[in-house]
Amino acid sequence: SAVISQKPSRDICQRGTSLTIQCQVDSQVTMMFWYRQQPGQSLTLIATANQGSEATYESGFVIDKFPISRPNLTFSTLTVSNMSPEDSSIYLCSAEGGGTDTQYFGPGTRLTVL
Amino acid sequence: KNEVEQSPQNLTAQEGEFITINCSYSVGISALHWLQQHPGGGIVSLFMLSSGKKKHGRLIATINIQEKHSSLHITASHPRDSAVYICAVSGSGGSNYKLTFGKGTLLTVNP
Repeated sequence: SAVISQKPSRDICQRGTSLTIQCQVDSQVTMMFWYRQQPGQSLTLIATANQGSEATYESGFVIDKFPISRPNLTFSTLTVSNMSPEDSSIYLCSAEGGGTDTQYFGPGTRLTVL
Repeated sequence: KNEVEQSPQNLTAQEGEFITINCSYSVGISALHWLQQHPGGGIVSLFMLSSGKKKHGRLIATINIQEKHSSLHITASHPRDSAVYICAVSGSGGSNYKLTFGKGTLLTVNP
């Protein structure tokens, strides 16, 4: 199994600012994923991040708004840019479990935008 | 219609009761996942199933591929089981890793 940590665990931000969320895995993984969970909604995949290549974004999500870095096999960041109150959500990262199709999730970052 | 439907949406039980949460899906999948989300937001993967039945402690998960249906059972429920239980499927659209999530079932177990 993989243990995933995220920083920050929560934050309150002002409209128009940006926040970078960090995701650290305790083992090397090929694929990492970023999800958003808006209040009362199910999780939605934002993008898939593979080391050494550009992130692949899902429909409705763009790189300018959610730039992602994946500098190595244990770390990724997601930036929420030019935030608005609609960006208030829980953001979760996950990592694939070494070819088992299992995904391990981080504890989430609870973002509130005022 | 959502690709993954869960029922019930909310469930309240007394400690010790047997609990069942259902999940139906409408697409071909490679695996079905049951996840547990606690109030702080963090998610724990409980099961990944592609056929049959799996058991871990008081939790049992079953899947019927032909009927596109899965159930999560909790025996001898306890207040610490209170959480949101989420069904997710992988493999729809050709990607084994991309998960499609249900909206979750909020379980409250009262002492």
